[in-house]
Amino acid sequence: GAVVSQHPSWVICKSGTSVKIECRSLDFQATTMFWYRQFPKQSLMLMATSNEGSKATYEQGVEKDKFLINHASLTLSTLTVTSAHPEDSSFYICSARRDRVIYEQYFGPGTRLTVT
Amino acid sequence: AQSVTQLGSHVSVSEGALVLLRCNYSSSVPPYLFWYVQYPNQGLQLLLKYTTGATLVKGINGFEAEFKKSETSFHLTKPSAHMSDAAEYFCAVSDPRFGNEKLTFGTGTRLTIIP
Repeated sequence: GAVVSQHPSWVICKSGTSVKIECRSLDFQATTMFWYRQFPKQSLMLMATSNEGSKATYEQGVEKDKFLINHASLTLSTLTVTSAHPEDSSFYICSARRDRVIYEQYFGPGTRLTVT
Repeated sequence: AQSVTQLGSHVSVSEGALVLLRCNYSSSVPPYLFWYVQYPNQGLQLLLKYTTGATLVKGINGFEAEFKKSETSFHLTKPSAHMSDAAEYFCAVSDPRFGNEKLTFGTGTRLTIIP
C-alpha cells in the first residue's frame, strides 16, 4: 500500500510552453501533498505544500505564478510549469502525506523535465 | 533554519560488512529525523524515523539509527550489508514546532556494495 504515482515520468518541451505534472496517491487519501525539485547531485528542495481545496503554500523564492499548483481532490495534485525556460529543467518529485498518519510522506518516482 | 549534512556522497562497503552512513543536523530545537532510501527509478521510501521516545530506532531491511542530541547526529547503520542495499540514502529533518511536516533533506549518500 501507500503508492504515489507521477505522470509523465519524463517530458521535453520547448521554451515558452507550459507543462503539467500529475501526482496521484493510488491507494490512500492525501489532504496534503508536497512538491520538491532536485538538481543533479543535490538535495531535494521543497517548493510548495499543496492542500486539497485550498491555495498552495510556496517556499521563499519559489514563483507561485510560474509553478501553479492545484489540489482538486484527495488523491490528485498537479504542478504546472508555465512559460518554461531552460533553467526550469530539473527533476520534480511529489510526496503525499497519508491522512491521519503523522510524519509519513510517500514519494512519487519523479518527473524529469527538459526545456529546450 | 535547519540543515542536514551527510558526510560522504559515496560509500562503498563489502557484502557482509557493517554499513555506516553519517548524518548530522543543525537545529535550534530537537528535530524529528528521518532516513529515506531511493532505488533506481523509484520514489523515496521511508526507512525509519525518530520523533520522540527511544533514541535507538529500528527500521525496515535491518537498518537502525540512533539519535544523539549531544552530537547532533542521526547515523544510519546495518550490521551486515547485502547486495540489495545498494541505493541512494537521504537523511531529513523536520521542525516539530510548526506541525507542517516540512522536510529538509541532506544531499544524499550513494551506497555501493562490493561483492
